[in-house]
Amino acid sequence: KAGVTQTPRYLIKTRGQQVTLSCSPISGHRSVSWYQQTPGQGLQFLFEYFSETQRNKGNFPGRFSGRQFSNSRSEMNVSTLELGDSALYLCASSFLGDTQYFGPGTRLTVL
Amino acid sequence: SQQGEEDPQALSIQEGENATMNCSYKTSINNLQWYRQNSGRGLVHLILIRSNEREKHSGRLRVTLDTSKKSSSLLITASRAADTASYFCATVSVGNQAGTALIFGKGTTLSVSS
Repeated sequence: KAGVTQTPRYLIKTRGQQVTLSCSPISGHRSVSWYQQTPGQGLQFLFEYFSETQRNKGNFPGRFSGRQFSNSRSEMNVSTLELGDSALYLCASSFLGDTQYFGPGTRLTVL
Repeated sequence: SQQGEEDPQALSIQEGENATMNCSYKTSINNLQWYRQNSGRGLVHLILIRSNEREKHSGRLRVTLDTSKKSSSLLITASRAADTASYFCATVSVGNQAGTALIFGKGTTLSVSS
């Protein structure tokens, strides 16, 4: 099976812009989670979607949002970008809800 | 917020030696998982241990879990240069809203030299 794919792999934006990141889970996986990784805060949970419903949400401002489509693909959106949003954004999919399989990540740089 | 704290933060060893990393966490958990990350890339799942298990093996990996001390350890035996990476423990808390949110520690950076 193909692994988790994320697009784009690299992105450069300026403050105030918005960005949409995409994640395609492993075939058959219905749970998709998003994480933010920064040198200062480490790996932090953003949100999880299961069957198109947000099942869990981390402690991030409302500028961070996401959705999941009927084919389990997921997108996350960050509006009004700030310098501190520069990070590696990781998507993970899961079948039974235990082991999570991560994609290669999207490196977002905000200038 | 961080749940786990890995110890040590960095570890340098020679090929063939064993590497031991420790993880402590704060709340009651359903399971604890260890992941590896090479140079800012995606995370690779190594092993999962459930709260009712005490030890688990997978190839050169051995994981122990002590729920009374809220701690876990990862042992990599006969290390290789290819084991050079950052290692993270991650937990799923009891009472997690039917979800699978992983709470990660800050990680241990392992360097294996030949």
